[in-house]
Amino acid sequence: AQSVTQLGSHVSVSEGALVLLRCNYSSSVPPYLFWYVQYPNQGLQLLLKYTSAATLVKGINGFEAEFKKSETSFHLTKPSAHMSDAAEYFCAVSDSRIGNEKLTFGTGTRLTIIP
Amino acid sequence: EAGVAQSPRYKIIEKRQSVAFWCNPISGHATLYWYQQILGQGPKLLIQFQNNGVVDDSQLPKDRFSAERLKGVDSTLKIQPAKLEDSAVYLCASSPAVATSSYNSPLHFGNGTRLTVT
Repeated sequence: AQSVTQLGSHVSVSEGALVLLRCNYSSSVPPYLFWYVQYPNQGLQLLLKYTSAATLVKGINGFEAEFKKSETSFHLTKPSAHMSDAAEYFCAVSDSRIGNEKLTFGTGTRLTIIP
Repeated sequence: EAGVAQSPRYKIIEKRQSVAFWCNPISGHATLYWYQQILGQGPKLLIQFQNNGVVDDSQLPKDRFSAERLKGVDSTLKIQPAKLEDSAVYLCASSPAVATSSYNSPLHFGNGTRLTVT
């Protein structure tokens, strides 16, 4: 079975400050890892994904994440927060085997940007 | 390309009533998923279709939930009878066929249907 744990259900940062959202995974097989963002009353939008290529993954809107196998982590970062980054962020894991790409999500982290 | 369409956007029903949600995936996407997102939690997979066949329904409460995907395109999710704990957002997602390396174009989500059971 696979799972992800997101540390911190709420994170607040000042505009222009570093954003760090934490995600740790558990998987018995090599995982694929994802970060999704959800704006109010909308569906989930893919930010970035790790699928066993480069361990540092760059996504949309200036976000990036680094896969660290030794730490079983896939933390999401952005150097400088913008007001438009306020949203809920979900880390997700899936099996890397073909045909098993259904996602298991974490409980989410709500990001608030302080002006 | 048009996104995943879901309707209705909002639904309020009383417990023990029935309700149905509709999803139209992105054209050509063979795989379709229904997720349940309870307030304050991450989405939880209910059922996965590959074309019109069920791949995984292990987390679908089959005593009250049912889903179908006739002709491998649109899908409906039904709850009968509804319980208070079914209040949630129901998200539909689609992705291309597995054979075309779905991770190059992973899951696309609709805006969801928010269900309130009173």
